[in-house]
Amino acid sequence: AQKITQTQPGMFVQEKEAVTLDCTYDTSDQSYGLFWYKQPSSGEMIFLIYQGSYDEQNATEGRYSLNFQKARKSANLVISASQLGDSAMYFCAMRERNTGGFKTIFGAGTRLFVKA
Amino acid sequence: EAQVTQNPRYLITVTGKKLTVTCSQNMNHEYMSWYRQDPGLGLRQIYYSMNVEVTDKGDVPEGYKVSRKEKRNFPLILESPSPNQTSLYFCASSLGRNTGELFFGEGSRLTVL
Repeated sequence: AQKITQTQPGMFVQEKEAVTLDCTYDTSDQSYGLFWYKQPSSGEMIFLIYQGSYDEQNATEGRYSLNFQKARKSANLVISASQLGDSAMYFCAMRERNTGGFKTIFGAGTRLFVKA
Repeated sequence: EAQVTQNPRYLITVTGKKLTVTCSQNMNHEYMSWYRQDPGLGLRQIYYSMNVEVTDKGDVPEGYKVSRKEKRNFPLILESPSPNQTSLYFCASSLGRNTGELFFGEGSRLTVL
């Protein structure tokens, strides 16, 4: 079963508008972490934002915010005031405990296109 | 500069010819991991290591080996590569706790003919 689901393979957004990238997850753990990473066309993986399962406030980092709805098991990324440089692949990830320690798993990704 | 270094960045090889992709980090991180990235599948974990001499299988370990003899190094070994191992490989490291984000290497693009 998919542990991390990103239902939007591709999305378009107009420059300067806000966009929400969806992510749902599945875990039976009480303690886990949720992450978003950006992968531009150059290929590197860039950490954007983190949300802990016990954090009561939604995480924010500059133009990025994470809309965390624990009961619904969703961790959507909101990018405000989109810029052309935001065009990239975005991955949602979850880190949870397992028998060997910790394990981080990724969704299939959403490719975002920002239009001028 | 804090970084994760992978080598080689690009490699074309033939079926059955053993190869090793090296990974080294200079941040004294306990946790290290290998992923492969394939179109439409995101990143899938191959192996990970919580500390020296402690390794465990990820979701797609078949055909790969790893070792962690030193804290900073975590090489990925393909004993007998096959074409289905053609992929983009990432090494990553983090502090050994649940909240630490992963720091990624630049990736190694491997083609097996």
